[in-house]
Amino acid sequence: VQLVESGGGVVQPGGSLRLSCAASGFTFSSYGMHWVRQAPGKGLEWVAFIRYDGNDKYYADSVKGRFTISRDNSKNTLYLQMNSLRADDTAVYYCAKVGREGVMTYYYYMDVWGKGTTVTVSS
Amino acid sequence: EIVLTQSPGTLSLSPGERATLSCRASQSVSSSYLAWYQQKPGQAPRLLIYGTSSRATGIPDRFSGSGSGTDFTLTISRLEPEDFAVYYCQQYGDSPLTFGGGTKVEIK
Repeated sequence: VQLVESGGGVVQPGGSLRLSCAASGFTFSSYGMHWVRQAPGKGLEWVAFIRYDGNDKYYADSVKGRFTISRDNSKNTLYLQMNSLRADDTAVYYCAKVGREGVMTYYYYMDVWGKGTTVTVSS
Repeated sequence: EIVLTQSPGTLSLSPGERATLSCRASQSVSSSYLAWYQQKPGQAPRLLIYGTSSRATGIPDRFSGSGSGTDFTLTISRLEPEDFAVYYCQQYGDSPLTFGGGTKVEIK
């Protein structure tokens, strides 16, 4: 089971970035997926969740209206489209899978995490 | 939003000693939906415990979780050199999902 994030980089405030998370070693289409971030030297912050079929999504208030989570089950890939980026969005972004297949809600723990991709918002 | 407060912030112990980490919630955690993760520098978090007391796959039995309601504990019975890390609790029973601020277990 492996998750590999990509797409991070340096972007100016107000800019956009799309993160990807490539999944392998499990049936991606059967598992809900989360994005979690960690600002430099800080703790973990949940960002967004998408159900295994893509039909239910949840967002943290801090990113609602600016970030969009999506998935392509045919490509085993999770995405996070980030718009109107701010300095406080600077963080390492991790994707993580829920611990059981077919879970209908986002109230579930995260059992496998990727290594993360770094997003820096700075002028 | 459920706020999780972890204590102590830093725990200085020697290998072989017992570590007791606390996680206190601002309100009761639904169905004991409480998890613990370990994170080492430059690495992703790793799931240790879910459902308050169930060990994740491959986690040694020196790690144990307990608690209910608003008070939860992660215990490491005998610290091994690889256990020195930061530990986070997380509740997943209420929206939004939240994490505690972390406890760093360092070598004394």
